[in-house]
Amino acid sequence: EAQVTQNPRYLITVTGKKLTVTCSQNMNHEYMSWYRQDPGLGLRQIYYSMNVEVTDKGDVPEGYKVSRKEKRNFPLILESPSPNQTSLYFCASSSQGPVEAFFGQGTRLTVV
Amino acid sequence: GENVEQHPSTLSVQEGDSAVIKCTYSDSASNYFPWYKQELGKRPQLIIDIRSNVGEKKDQRIAVTLNKTAKHFSLHITETQPEDSAVYFCAASKLGNAGNMLTFGGGTRLMVKP
Repeated sequence: EAQVTQNPRYLITVTGKKLTVTCSQNMNHEYMSWYRQDPGLGLRQIYYSMNVEVTDKGDVPEGYKVSRKEKRNFPLILESPSPNQTSLYFCASSSQGPVEAFFGQGTRLTVV
Repeated sequence: GENVEQHPSTLSVQEGDSAVIKCTYSDSASNYFPWYKQELGKRPQLIIDIRSNVGEKKDQRIAVTLNKTAKHFSLHITETQPEDSAVYFCAASKLGNAGNMLTFGGGTRLMVKP
C-alpha cells in the first residue's frame, strides 16, 4: 500500500528542546516536502527536496532544518522550538516535482 | 514569490446545487494548479489538477478552469452532495528548473446542507 508515514502523530514539547519529526515514503518518489497548517493561513511550504542531498527553502523555513540522505526519508528538525511553531505539520511526496503530491497523516505539535 | 488568494473563505450550498471556488495567482510563470480536499481531521487529498497548456479539465462532477491572461483558476462542483462538505485548497507551482515550490491559497470551507 502506498504510504507517507509521519511520526509522531502528536507531540507536546517545551521551548528550546530539540525535536525531530520523521517522514518516510514507500513509493520511490523523488520529491518530498514539509508544510505547516495554521487556521486561516492554509498550508505553507517549509522545505522541499527534489532528490537525495538536494533541499530548498519554501515560504517559511525559519526555525526548521531538513535533510535528505536517503530517497525514502525526509526528517524535519526543530533545533530550538518556540511556541509560534505550534502547528499541524504535513509531509508529502510525489514522483515529479509537486505534481500529484501525496500527504502523510499529519503531526500535531504543541510547544509550551 | 508566488501569492495565491482564494475566495470565498466559506461557502454554504443546498444539496444538488453547484459550488464555485475561485483562486488568483501572482506569478505568470506558474504552470501547475492542483486542488486539494481536506475532510475534518484528515490529510489533504488531490481531487483534480490542471496545467497551463489546458484551459479546462473535468472529472465527473468536478471541473477546473484556468484563465492564464487574468491569472485565475476556479473549481466547479456540480450536483453537490453532503460528502462534498470539506475544506478545499487551491495551489500553484512553477514546475521545472525555475521553481517547484507549491504555494497554497487560504482554503474554502464548503458546507453542503441536506
